[in-house]
Amino acid sequence: ETGVTQTPRHLVMGMTNKKSLKCEQHLGHNAMYWYKQSAKKPLELMFVYSLEERVENNSVPSRFSPECPNSSHLFLHLHTLQPEDSALYLCASSLAQGATGYTFGSGTRLTVV
Amino acid sequence: GENVEQHPSTLSVQEGDSAVIKCTYSDSASNYFPWYKQELGKRPQLIIDIRSNVGEKKDQRIAVTLNKTAKHFSLHITETQPEDSAVYFCAASDTGANNLFFGTGTRLTVIP
Repeated sequence: ETGVTQTPRHLVMGMTNKKSLKCEQHLGHNAMYWYKQSAKKPLELMFVYSLEERVENNSVPSRFSPECPNSSHLFLHLHTLQPEDSALYLCASSLAQGATGYTFGSGTRLTVV
Repeated sequence: GENVEQHPSTLSVQEGDSAVIKCTYSDSASNYFPWYKQELGKRPQLIIDIRSNVGEKKDQRIAVTLNKTAKHFSLHITETQPEDSAVYFCAASDTGANNLFFGTGTRLTVIP
C-alpha cells in the first residue's frame, strides 16, 4: 500500500441502494480528491477537499455526496445511482491544495445493476 | 477549463524499441505536467513530471519534453521492456488552481 487505502475494492449495488466508498490516508496530506475512471474516457475530477473543506465540485449529480470528516478520511456516499455510474472510483491525496505529486488509492470498482 | 488530449490511444512496440506518447493542452496557465502509469488492476502511479520552466527531463529510460509555445508535451520510453506494458496518462494543471486534468490514456503493449 502506498498510503492511500480505499474500501471496498469492489461493489455491486442496485439502483435503489445506498452505499458509501471510503478513502483513508496517513501521509499527512491536507488535500483529497475523488476521480471517476470510465473506459476510454479521461480521469474525471469529481470533488476536491482541502483542509476538510470542499473547494471543488465539478458539476457532479447530487446522487454522489462526498464527506470529509477530517484530513485523513474521505467518503463518497452513493444513492439511487444509474448503470452509467458504473466505473472505477479513485481517491487521491496531495500535500496541500495546489501541490503536485498526487498519490492514488487502488480504487473501488463500482457496478450498478 | 483545461482540455488535455492524448495520442495514440493504443501503441504496440517490439521489446527494445522506443515508444512515444504525445499530449496537448489548452490552458496557457498550466505549469505542471505529470505522467502516470497504471498497470492492469492497479492504481495510477506517478513516473515522471515536468514543470513549465524546464524543456526536458530524463530519468533513466524515461524522458519527458515540453513545448510551451505549442502547448504540447511528450513521454519517451527507450529500450522498452515487457514490464513497461500499461496504460499511461498525461495530465496538466495550474498548481495554483489545484486541478489536475488528465488525458484519455494510452495503452502501451511491449511485445517480447
